[in-house]
Amino acid sequence: GQQLNQSPQSMFIQEGEDVSMNCTSSSIFNTWLWYKQDPGEGPVLLIALYKAGELTSNGRLTAQFGITRKDSFLNISASIPSDVGIYFCAVAHLNAGNMLTFGGGTRLMVKP
Amino acid sequence: NAGVTQTPKFQVLKTGQSMTLQCAQDMNHEYMSWYRQDPGMGLRLIHYSVGAGITDQGEVPNGYNVSRSTTEDFPLRLLSAAPSQTSVYFCASSYSIIDNEQFFGPGTRLTVL
Repeated sequence: GQQLNQSPQSMFIQEGEDVSMNCTSSSIFNTWLWYKQDPGEGPVLLIALYKAGELTSNGRLTAQFGITRKDSFLNISASIPSDVGIYFCAVAHLNAGNMLTFGGGTRLMVKP
Repeated sequence: NAGVTQTPKFQVLKTGQSMTLQCAQDMNHEYMSWYRQDPGMGLRLIHYSVGAGITDQGEVPNGYNVSRSTTEDFPLRLLSAAPSQTSVYFCASSYSIIDNEQFFGPGTRLTVL
């Protein structure tokens, strides 16, 4: 199946620091999504990107859809303890039942 | 709204047993899907449905059956459980197949011995 390479795999940061993670693919996609998963819960959609070059914010979160349509990054500014969790990038395959392909995830840990 | 609900939360089966994982949504969503999540592999689509009476296979459908008799419910059946089906199963729904805002349930953690 399609591979999404997400990095870093994990991050351990101090509260208040900014965080950056990214996702790359060898194929072009028209939709990039970022999800967060808390322990014991399902993923929750944070940001959806539909246009190459698009920069979208949701509170302290900012995500960009790469101009080549093969990558995306997610930034979290001024991290707080509740940012802890696993962040996944995902792409949507409209011609395959809108199947979402997920990256391997970035585990974020925040030290108060 | 309860959103997407899944039962049970945890389940242990012996190899060869069958069971049904329940999923329900109260948002009147047409599109529902089942994913499994395995360590280091993200989530993979098992089956999906674009409306009552219509289902189709996803990326990893073998060993699983689904049906969609109502808009609200989308059960996943394991006919003869195998250890390779040990995983966390998530049900998701969205307004339509082209709506990328899919809402996920809390998951069912299944262990097959």
